[in-house]
Amino acid sequence: GQSLEQPSEVTAVEGAIVQINCTYQTSGFYGLSWYQQHDGGAPTFLSYNALDGLEETGRFSSFLSRSDSYGYLLLQELQMKDSASYFCAAPSGANNLFFGTGTRLTVIP
Amino acid sequence: NAGVTQTPKFQVLKTGQSMTLQCAQDMNHEYMSWYRQDPGMGLRLIHYSVGAGITDQGEVPNGYNVSRSTTEDFPLRLLSAAPSQTSVYFCASRSGLQETQYFGPGTRLLVL
Repeated sequence: GQSLEQPSEVTAVEGAIVQINCTYQTSGFYGLSWYQQHDGGAPTFLSYNALDGLEETGRFSSFLSRSDSYGYLLLQELQMKDSASYFCAAPSGANNLFFGTGTRLTVIP
Repeated sequence: NAGVTQTPKFQVLKTGQSMTLQCAQDMNHEYMSWYRQDPGMGLRLIHYSVGAGITDQGEVPNGYNVSRSTTEDFPLRLLSAAPSQTSVYFCASRSGLQETQYFGPGTRLLVL
């Protein structure tokens, strides 16, 4: 089976840095994706790590360690608009995604 | 490009009724999927398709049917609605060359 574990909630201060972790157990691992979802909205793609290491996209970075079955999303210079739920996801087979249960990030002034 | 569109946005059904949730994409993506999201949970895959005429079951397929007669459209049919199917349904598509999934705005379904 597949499982992706994330903390359920994280709170951080505006302007700070926050890390959201994801540990996974999957068969046939291909890579790790991250999605953002605001309340009432649809998930939107943030990043994908196929290989070990850090991928940077603006204020967001994502890291993967296959040997540790672990990844994280790093958000820098937090803004109020970053308050949302964040999901890690891994391909299920070769065709679609298996999602974690999500981390609700609250950014406070 | 409109991206991924879904209709309706909201729907209330009575137990036992049937309905079809519509999904269309204009990006010529091969892969399309249906997910459901329940409160405080991640998305769970219902059915998916890797191309016109090809569909397969995901994690929670019971009570749902799909078909893919064209590249653009991927409707989801509820055969006999049950209260357990109350959820938010998202359709998504992606190119076979990328990992990015593009999601539609969702359909909020309430089964009484």
